[in-house]
Amino acid sequence: AQSVTQLDSQVPVFEEAPVELRCNYSSSVSVYLFWYVQYPNQGLQLLLKYLSGSTLVKGINGFEAEFNKSQTSFHLRKPSVHISDTAEYFCAVSDGRLGGSYIPTFGRGTSLIVHP
Amino acid sequence: DTAVSQTPKYLVTQMGNDKSIKCEQNLGHDTMYWYKQDSKKFLKIMFSYNNKELIINETVPNRFSPKSPDKAHLNLHINSLELGDSAVYFCASSHFGETQYFGPGTRLLVL
Repeated sequence: AQSVTQLDSQVPVFEEAPVELRCNYSSSVSVYLFWYVQYPNQGLQLLLKYLSGSTLVKGINGFEAEFNKSQTSFHLRKPSVHISDTAEYFCAVSDGRLGGSYIPTFGRGTSLIVHP
Repeated sequence: DTAVSQTPKYLVTQMGNDKSIKCEQNLGHDTMYWYKQDSKKFLKIMFSYNNKELIINETVPNRFSPKSPDKAHLNLHINSLELGDSAVYFCASSHFGETQYFGPGTRLLVL
């Protein structure tokens, strides 16, 4: 079984400050890792993903994440946040195949609140 | 063009009623999903369909039934609605476990 833990339910930060949103996962096999963002009253959209290769992954809107296999982590970072980054962020992992498809597990989400 | 669309966007109904939510994707993906998001933003996967076969069914009440007429559609039918069914329901699609593409959500309120 796989699981995802987002260590912070809420992260307040000032505009132009750096931010890190933490994500740890557990899985017995190799994984795909994702970060999704959900703006108010919208569906989720992909920020970035790790499938294989380089452990440092760059995504949209200046976000990046680093896959650390030994620590089973996939933390999301941005060096300077904007007010418009205020949203809910979800870490997700898909692991193995069940009936021919990957089934994702989502974390409980981290609410990023950017203050002016 | 909208990749994953859902109708209706809002649904307000009385307890005990039966309702359906429709979902369509034009991405050519092989797998479609239904998620429930509660008021605390927790996202729970309900169903997944791959090539018109149900491949996962979490501990969801059998009042909920997914119906897939073809690879591009996965509808959700709910019988005998209860207050606890109030939530936002998201449809999504993907290709073999890669990026999930989500619809805009259907906000269901049961009175």
